[in-house]
Amino acid sequence: AQSVAQPEDQVNVAEGNPLTVKCTYSVSGNPYLFWYVQYPNRGLQFLLKYITGDNLVKGSYGFEAEFNKSQTSFHLKKPSALVSDSALYFCAAPYNNNDMRFGAGTRLTVKP
Amino acid sequence: SQTIHQWPATLVQPVGSPLSLECTVEGTSNPNLYWYRQAAGRGLQLLFYSVGIGQISSEVPQNLSASRPQDRQFILSSKKLLLSDSGFYLCAWSPEVAGENEQFFGPGTRLTVL
Repeated sequence: AQSVAQPEDQVNVAEGNPLTVKCTYSVSGNPYLFWYVQYPNRGLQFLLKYITGDNLVKGSYGFEAEFNKSQTSFHLKKPSALVSDSALYFCAAPYNNNDMRFGAGTRLTVKP
Repeated sequence: SQTIHQWPATLVQPVGSPLSLECTVEGTSNPNLYWYRQAAGRGLQLLFYSVGIGQISSEVPQNLSASRPQDRQFILSSKKLLLSDSGFYLCAWSPEVAGENEQFFGPGTRLTVL
């Protein structure tokens, strides 16, 4: 089983600046890690996932995430934030063969 | 392509009334299906999941129940709603249980119990 943690409830960045949303994981075996985004009053949308291979994973809307085994982290990044990136972001990992467990979520606010 | 539907989109119900939320998936067969509740726009709580017709696993004991009468239909029910049942209910599906597959979420139902 795997678990994830998101240490920050809130992240604020200025438009045009790089953004990072943090996620750490605890896993036995090879980790599968996911990022989702949720806009207000909407369902979650899948952004990207790490299964194996390159440590830098590219996803939707210009987001990418870096898998770091030594730091047990899978931080979500974007080189230049947009106001429209403001949303709730969830890191997730499979808990067993049947379901996935999500972090508590990080609210990203990008200010113009 | 696959799509997932939930209805109703919003619901206001009095305490003690029954509940029925429906979720259907199109474009796939034998999906895994999930019901989550999200309170106050934060974390997700897994309520139920199903790997096949009539197969329901409950994660949290409470006054809610789930049923899967058809392969691509998942229903969340309650006989008597509590104030604490208010929240945003999300249905999701995934292709299989291998762990490598992401889940796809419906648009959600906002339930307010008064």
